[in-house]
Amino acid sequence: GQQLNQSPQSMFIQEGEDVSMNCTSSSIFNTWLWYKQEPGEGPVLLIALYKAGELTSNGRLTAQFGITRKDSFLNISASIPSDVGIYFCAGIAGGTSYGKLTFGQGTILTVHP
Amino acid sequence: GAGVSQSPRYKVAKRGQDVALRCDPISGHVSLFWYQQALGQGPEFLTYFQNEAQLDKSGLPSDRFFAERPEGSVSTLKIQRTQQEDSAVYLCASSLVNRYNEQFFGPGTRLTVL
Repeated sequence: GQQLNQSPQSMFIQEGEDVSMNCTSSSIFNTWLWYKQEPGEGPVLLIALYKAGELTSNGRLTAQFGITRKDSFLNISASIPSDVGIYFCAGIAGGTSYGKLTFGQGTILTVHP
Repeated sequence: GAGVSQSPRYKVAKRGQDVALRCDPISGHVSLFWYQQALGQGPEFLTYFQNEAQLDKSGLPSDRFFAERPEGSVSTLKIQRTQQEDSAVYLCASSLVNRYNEQFFGPGTRLTVL
């Protein structure tokens, strides 16, 4: 099935470093979302973006909805060990009224103390 | 708890067996989604319910997959004659009908088909 192109696939960083990851698509999405998933759990919503160009923060997390509506970025500042997990972007395409999500492949984040 | 619950958490089936996976959504959530997450991949949409009505089943991979939500609350995903390629984590999510961007996911059922 269709998935968004998410990069990088994995990141190994030191505590305190900043992190950037992005997601691209060949088609337009009206909503972009970023989730975090930890082992044995379902994804948890971090940030939702609803308008092209929108920049939204949630604590140390900042995400942007690309102007073309075909991409989105997530930044994590001053990483800490509990940031470890898999981060997924997800989009909702235009024309759907009930939140059918298309996910990226995920970015595995490892933070070394 | 007040979150989405799924049972069983783990299921091992022999190829050819039928399985049934249960989802208890958050009380009052009209919308219910099923997703399939293969190892190392993001979740993929399977089907969507609004109350008891199955409005979209375009993601079900074959006619061996069947989902129901007869009373608009608990949902069951049934897989008949399981195959090895059905091995995955099956995630359920629920939301308010007008807040579909805010889907709350359950912990998933990990299905292993031998």
